[in-house]
Amino acid sequence: EDKVVQSPLSLVVHEGDTVTLNCSYEVTNFRSLLWYKQEKKAPTFLFMLTSSGIEKKSGRLSSILDKKELFSILNITATQTGDSAIYLCAGPTDSWGKLQFGAGTQVVVTP
Amino acid sequence: EPEVTQTPSHQVTQMGQEVILRCVPISNHLYFYWYRQILGQKVEFLVSFYNNEISEKSEIFDDQFSVERPDGSNFTLKIRSTKLEDSAMYFCATRTGNTIYFGEGSWLTVV
Repeated sequence: EDKVVQSPLSLVVHEGDTVTLNCSYEVTNFRSLLWYKQEKKAPTFLFMLTSSGIEKKSGRLSSILDKKELFSILNITATQTGDSAIYLCAGPTDSWGKLQFGAGTQVVVTP
Repeated sequence: EPEVTQTPSHQVTQMGQEVILRCVPISNHLYFYWYRQILGQKVEFLVSFYNNEISEKSEIFDDQFSVERPDGSNFTLKIRSTKLEDSAMYFCATRTGNTIYFGEGSWLTVV
């Protein structure tokens, strides 16, 4: 059975700290791994990773995939209160659109 | 501009009533999906729709659920006879390339 596991489940940091979020996955036919940010409602797309060892960056966020060890990390540097959200990791299973989600990591950034 | 627009944003309905949730994707999108998220739980895949027919569905998507795209633009999810456990946020999504983009969601409360 396909599985996506995220850790930690939650964390609280101070503004300016760096956070590292983990995602491990077991997906039968690996296609990609996606990261989303969920604030009040919809998950908003952050990254799609398909190749091992290639870091993707967007501002203070970056992510990398290790296909051999079956995990990905999402880093947020110099955190701001606006980074407070649930960060979701997901992988397509039988098809590109059928995503298996992890439970998410709730990040709270305090001023 | 959002990839998809969903209505209503929130609906309260009595148990046993029929509910229709609507999604308006950008017109050139071909793949459509419904996901749901029960409060405090993971985002779960319900169904995928391509070329005017269901291409995949999950175990959750039983006979009480149906989808259609009647006029070539709106994509709807119908729940025939709602149950208390159908209370959730329902997300419409579309695919661009191999990335899934979610709408803002429709929060359904069954009382």
